[in-house]
Amino acid sequence: KAGVTQTPRYLIKTRGQQVTLSCSPISGHRSVSWYQQTPGQGLQFLFEYFSETQRNKGNFPGRFSGRQFSNSRSEMNVSTLELGDSALYLCASSLGGRSSYEQYFGPGTRLTVT
Amino acid sequence: GQQLNQSPQSMFIQEGEDVSMNCTSSSIFNTWLWYKQDPGEGPVLLIALYKAGELTSNGRLTAQFGITRKDSFLNISASIPSDVGIYFCAGQMQNSGNTPLVFGKGTRLSVIA
Repeated sequence: KAGVTQTPRYLIKTRGQQVTLSCSPISGHRSVSWYQQTPGQGLQFLFEYFSETQRNKGNFPGRFSGRQFSNSRSEMNVSTLELGDSALYLCASSLGGRSSYEQYFGPGTRLTVT
Repeated sequence: GQQLNQSPQSMFIQEGEDVSMNCTSSSIFNTWLWYKQDPGEGPVLLIALYKAGELTSNGRLTAQFGITRKDSFLNISASIPSDVGIYFCAGQMQNSGNTPLVFGKGTRLSVIA
């Protein structure tokens, strides 16, 4: 079974621009979670989508948004990029039901904002 | 929000040595997960634990779900250079429904050949 895939793997953007990252979950997984990882802050939860609905949201500004499609693929968007948005963005998929908390991560998208 | 205290933050060990790290919380958890992350990659799930007192192995790795349900331990036996990386614990709090997993800040393991 193919793992979680994320595209692109690397991205360089300029401050003020916007960016869209994509995540394809493991086949059959209905939940996709997004995390921001920086050296000083560890894994910070952004949001989770389940069956096309945002089920949980972390403590990030409204510039960070996401969505999930009917095939469970998910995208996250960051508008008006700031230098501090430079990070590794990880998505993780899981079955999404009760007692199915095992999350499987993709390789991440490394975003650099200049 | 809820935090997991993971220790130690970093470790330097000789190849062949055994390694122990742990994760503690003030809340009760019903699931503990251990991940390993290599540089530039996403975390990889190593072991999942679902019952208090449960002891689960994956090769040279052994993890335990603490009896109090507030802690978990990961042991690596006979470490090798490819064990280098960051190890994260994560947990699902009891009666928290579908709230997000809580992650520790990681233990960075370095192995000296």
